Amino acid sequence: SAVISQKPSRDICQRGTSLTIQCQVDSQVTMMFWYRQQPGQSLTLIATANQGSEATYESGFVIDKFPISRPNLTFSTLTVSNMSPEDSSIYLCSVEGGKGWVTDTQYFGPGTRLTVL
Amino acid sequence: GEDVEQSLFLSVREGDSSVINCTYTDSSSTYLYWYKQEPGAGLQLLTYIFSNMDMKQDQRLTVLLNKKDKHLSLRIADTQTGDSAIYFCAETPRNQGGKLIFGQGTELSVKP
Repeated sequence: SAVISQKPSRDICQRGTSLTIQCQVDSQVTMMFWYRQQPGQSLTLIATANQGSEATYESGFVIDKFPISRPNLTFSTLTVSNMSPEDSSIYLCSVEGGKGWVTDTQYFGPGTRLTVL
Repeated sequence: GEDVEQSLFLSVREGDSSVINCTYTDSSSTYLYWYKQEPGAGLQLLTYIFSNMDMKQDQRLTVLLNKKDKHLSLRIADTQTGDSAIYFCAETPRNQGGKLIFGQGTELSVKP
């Protein structure tokens, strides 16, 4: 597997502002994903970050609210735009497809804990 | 549609075995997974099982898969207080672009 880091680890933001979360992997991976974990809940996939093309969003998530970038095979960002208190969650990136890794298996970053006031 | 279900809580005494159960609906997944989430932390891949296997053992962990009943279980032998966490089972249905479908998570509490 690999070392996956996220920045920031946590933040407290005011409603109406935006926050960009970074996900960095120490090796090249084919797939990167962004998940949301609302308080006391399970994880829900927001989108798949595709290298060199637009992200693929799940039902209920839109690009205007959660723009995603994936400029290369080791890095992705998720922006939470025009935040409201309902966006308070843990946001996690996951990665898959590193060289020598178990096929079809995702490894997760430590998460970014976001609180919106 | 896809659905993964788990019981929400399990409490055991230190040294006992813990068994966490999971049922799923989509039989197309190649792998099924168990992830562990400690308080304030991300998800740690605990173990996984290939869909054509019935059992996988890894040190204190035993995964049992009953494909007919679409039932997955995780047994932790000699449970320790450090095993207290939330355990998620998950599957990746075929033709879903690699999307993980998670259960609600089982909170395991280990009492000394």
